[in-house]
Amino acid sequence: QQPVQSPQAVILREGEDAVINCSSSKALYSVHWYRQKHGEAPVFLMILLKGGEQKGHEKISASFNEKKQQSSLYLTASQLSYSGTYFCGTERNGAGGTSYGKLTFGQGTILTVHP
Amino acid sequence: GAGVSQSPRYKVAKRGQDVALRCDPISGHVSLFWYQQALGQGPEFLTYFQNEAQLDKSGLPSDRFFAERPEGSVSTLKIQRTQQEDSAVYLCATKPGRIAKNIQYFGAGTRLSVL
Repeated sequence: QQPVQSPQAVILREGEDAVINCSSSKALYSVHWYRQKHGEAPVFLMILLKGGEQKGHEKISASFNEKKQQSSLYLTASQLSYSGTYFCGTERNGAGGTSYGKLTFGQGTILTVHP
Repeated sequence: GAGVSQSPRYKVAKRGQDVALRCDPISGHVSLFWYQQALGQGPEFLTYFQNEAQLDKSGLPSDRFFAERPEGSVSTLKIQRTQQEDSAVYLCATKPGRIAKNIQYFGAGTRLSVL
């Protein structure tokens, strides 16, 4: 089942902050965040694993509430380059509590940053 | 190569034609995924390879879709007797191992238009 992202779209001015949320109805193994610009490959931003481990870029932070199966991506002091569509991809628990990496993506959040 | 390479970048097919889409993974990446991305939507899982073994093909929409990775490196997604609803961007993603912690790196995709 597809995770639900909110909001669907955000418009910011440079320097403003934004939060993008991702919610799943299923127990998750991990949450991955990507940014995609038009006609380009999705670019990895952050991975959050159950148990609290995180890997990602220094300027981007995120949280993962395992009890609620929710993740939030925090974009601070936005830059023009932050514009794009943000996707969360979720991995469900597999056999033995592990997963091979199959991602189910949300519908995306369109972020536009203006000068 | 430095990243995941997909070819062709654009493909126009007449309804009923067969098409073949190629994915060159990052060297040494064991795991390979194919996703389908409809306009304005998030990527949807099609199939997964670990080396040459196709371990999950649950996302392939019909028996007209076929994927292979005979030597555990390059992969080809074939669509037979294309239909208009097959029009989408087909994304390939690879990661170093089979465990979930590994980041998936995406190619820029092949945009398929079926007329």
